[in-house]
Amino acid sequence: DVKVTQSSRYLVKRTGEKVFLECVQDMDHENMFWYRQDPGLGLRLIYFSYDVKMKEKGDIPEGYSVSREKKERFSLILESASTNQTSMYLCASSSPTGLYQETQYFGPGTRLLVL
Amino acid sequence: QKEVEQNSGPLSVPEGAIASLNCTYSDRGSQSFFWYRQYSGKSPELIMFIYSNGDKEDGRFTAQLNKASQYVSLLIRDSQPSDSATYLCAVVHSGAGSYQLTFGKGTKLSVIP
Repeated sequence: DVKVTQSSRYLVKRTGEKVFLECVQDMDHENMFWYRQDPGLGLRLIYFSYDVKMKEKGDIPEGYSVSREKKERFSLILESASTNQTSMYLCASSSPTGLYQETQYFGPGTRLLVL
Repeated sequence: QKEVEQNSGPLSVPEGAIASLNCTYSDRGSQSFFWYRQYSGKSPELIMFIYSNGDKEDGRFTAQLNKASQYVSLLIRDSQPSDSATYLCAVVHSGAGSYQLTFGKGTKLSVIP
């Protein structure tokens, strides 16, 4: 059974703080993803990684960075949190079994509030 | 810009009825399509995926794909109140070293007992 865990379910931070969101998967998946989900905007891809130390920008990378030092761990960093980064953050992982069957499995999400 | 469109709903159906959820996509080269279910406050969970034209059935769920019309749908037979959730359509497209999903904004389904 695939398990993706995220370090916090709820987080409250202040504007300007540096925020770390951690994601760990236990299925030896190569690919990991960070999304944010907002009402009316759906799921939007922030960054993804297809290998250790590799990262690629998604659709909305501004204000974020990522780190993948180990295969099982993918961190999302908000360099200087702003109120418009208040959102639900979802991590996902997948294994490249083939184009048609690369299912992404999601963690439980971190609901971040920036005051 | 690859787009995935879904009717936001809410779609209300009586218990026991068939719920029909629809999705259109803009990238004609898209090959694979996923349906996820998301309960309120929870993360998305996979229902099924489809990549061939036609129907694919899994229990009470049937996914239908028409690549010529760039249309994918999900039918839920014998709808139950526990099916009440938001259903996300996602389309695969290839990126650097991986395949990415573009998600629709989701359709909220409400099954009325």
